[in-house]
Amino acid sequence: EIVMTQSPATLSVSPGERATLSCRASQSVSSNLAWYQQKPGQAPRLLIYGASTRATGIPARFSGSGSGTEFTLSITSLQSEDSAVYYCQQYNNWPPEDTFGQGTKLQI
Amino acid sequence: QVQLVQSGAEVKKPGASVRVSCKASGYTFNTYYMHWVRQAPGQGLEWMGLINPSGGSTTYAQRLQGRVTMTRNTSTTTVYMELSSLRSEDTAVYYCASNSGSYRPFDYWGQGTLVTVSS
Repeated sequence: EIVMTQSPATLSVSPGERATLSCRASQSVSSNLAWYQQKPGQAPRLLIYGASTRATGIPARFSGSGSGTEFTLSITSLQSEDSAVYYCQQYNNWPPEDTFGQGTKLQI
Repeated sequence: QVQLVQSGAEVKKPGASVRVSCKASGYTFNTYYMHWVRQAPGQGLEWMGLINPSGGSTTYAQRLQGRVTMTRNTSTTTVYMELSSLRSEDTAVYYCASNSGSYRPFDYWGQGTLVTVSS
């Protein structure tokens, strides 16, 4: 079982600034790591996969980095619309049971 | 474009069963796995299982084994998730989500279906 741990639980950042969200895996997941954004009342949306590849339509303000056990999601030029919960997901183990981190709530 | 459209909200009593549907369109149905993910109120995301529409094989989360069943109808490109012996802890929003195969992220998500279990 791989445990995904995200930090911080909550992050408050001012508009226009940069946010850095972390995700740690209890064992290596190579680059099989995705990030999702979930706004209140909405389904999650895929932002990043392969640790650093933006999904279709995702602005360049969103970037991912890392490999192995340590990953980062960075969001620059923060806007109010970026307020959401962000989840990391490993898909190196299959089937993907216990695949998601617990989420980071980003408040702008 | 890819769309996953789920059935409407349900209210069930403890011990009952619920079936949620997810109709897929905009892609070749048999080429994408379909997963079910649930989210209890104010909580994170929990993977429940998957079905491979090509053949109907399933894999379920261990904690739900024996209570969850996933099926599909290829003629209507619809996937179903049935959860039995409902308890209050099963109150959640249930999402279907698709991906292009093993070791891949979840590209597309349904809008979610709220299932409330209450006496």
